[in-house]
Amino acid sequence: EDQVTQSPEALRLQEGESSSLNCSYTVSGLRGLFWYRQDPGKGPEFLFTLYSAGEEKEKERLKATLTKKESFLHITAPKPEDSATYLCAVHRNQAGTALIFGKGTTLSVSS
Amino acid sequence: NAGVMQNPRHLVRRRGQEARLRCSPMKGHSHVYWYRQLPEEGLKFMVYLQKENIIDESGMPKERFSAEFPKEGPSILRIQQVVRGDSAAYFCASSSRGGATDTQYFGPGTRLTVL
Repeated sequence: EDQVTQSPEALRLQEGESSSLNCSYTVSGLRGLFWYRQDPGKGPEFLFTLYSAGEEKEKERLKATLTKKESFLHITAPKPEDSATYLCAVHRNQAGTALIFGKGTTLSVSS
Repeated sequence: NAGVMQNPRHLVRRRGQEARLRCSPMKGHSHVYWYRQLPEEGLKFMVYLQKENIIDESGMPKERFSAEFPKEGPSILRIQQVVRGDSAAYFCASSSRGGATDTQYFGPGTRLTVL
């Protein structure tokens, strides 16, 4: 069964304290892995797409990496405005259909 | 450059009433997806539509739920005879090509409360 598991469920960091979020997946024939950010009461905001093992993408303090079994979202020197829930998702092995989401990691960054 | 639009943002219904949720995709997008987010759970796929066609409704409950995306106008998710368990946030996403590598962009959601 296709599955996405994110860890930890919650993470508390001090401002400037770097860390990583994990997304492990079991899906036959990965076609793309997606990272989103979701703020309370809002819809998911697209961050990155990764397509193949070894690929890396960066945006400001965030860097996403992909292996054959998992993806990491590295947060370097986070700020309080980085506080949000980070969601990982993969496509099922069918063109153009469902994204399978993990339950997310809720990040809190305090100053 | 408007993103995905959903309305209403909040909807309150009594048990047994109907709920209609609307979604206008991003400009240039013709593929629409509906997801539901229950409290303490992840986003779950419901249905995928293109203009005038339902492509994949494998995540849609068999009864009371229906979706459409007419040639003109927004996509509509309709829930008949709502029950308390339907209370959730419903999100719409759109994409330009609909392929497996295509990015889905999400709207702000409609939060349905069933009394």
